[in-house]
Amino acid sequence: DAKTTQPPSMDCAEGRAANLPCNHSTISGNEYVYWYRQIHSQGPQYIIHGLKNNETNEMASLIITEDRKSSTLILPHATLRDTAVYYCIVSYDSNYQLIWGAGTKLIIKP
Amino acid sequence: GAVVSQHPSRVICKSGTSVKIECRSLDFQATTMFWYRQFPKQSLMLMATSNEGSKATYEQGVEKDKFLINHASLTLSTLTVTSAHPEDSSFYICSARETLGARWTEAFFGQGTRLTVV
Repeated sequence: DAKTTQPPSMDCAEGRAANLPCNHSTISGNEYVYWYRQIHSQGPQYIIHGLKNNETNEMASLIITEDRKSSTLILPHATLRDTAVYYCIVSYDSNYQLIWGAGTKLIIKP
Repeated sequence: GAVVSQHPSRVICKSGTSVKIECRSLDFQATTMFWYRQFPKQSLMLMATSNEGSKATYEQGVEKDKFLINHASLTLSTLTVTSAHPEDSSFYICSARETLGARWTEAFFGQGTRLTVV
């Protein structure tokens, strides 16, 4: 079973920040939090990952709580092309298989 | 990020025939590749893990004689669906990880293959 819990769907207005939550209360000390997204009929796309500290790259920011039991993916200025299913996954530094939950279907509205 | 190329992107085959799907890492060496299957409106399900030069490890319930995996080089893994039947129709996706010395990077995914068995 997946070790994360995400809301099944979310809406966000174009141009606004999209904040996607993820609960991973059973995360182990050495497990990373990964975020991927899947646009319809395409392979998943890596977004970002982190262990303890907050991370930022050209696509998004990842905020991990101090107790590491939850995290939030932030898309700072959502566009229509960000409409996709977003998956939050916990895994040991990519050396183990990724267990995919149901993800959050994010719909960006004009 | 790194690029994983999967081919073909779409294939239609007759029931009883075999189909080969290729997964290539274009700009890195992939000692480990993963094969997933995704049915409509469902999440990805891991089928097998392949390591270069050794036999693949299949997940429970996946028939190794039906889904043949070959990972003969550090840049190519193939999945062959043998004696395909309509219930094998699905979206097949591969992913690959690169080793940089002792450190693993994130997994990169192919664009997927839509298999339709008629």
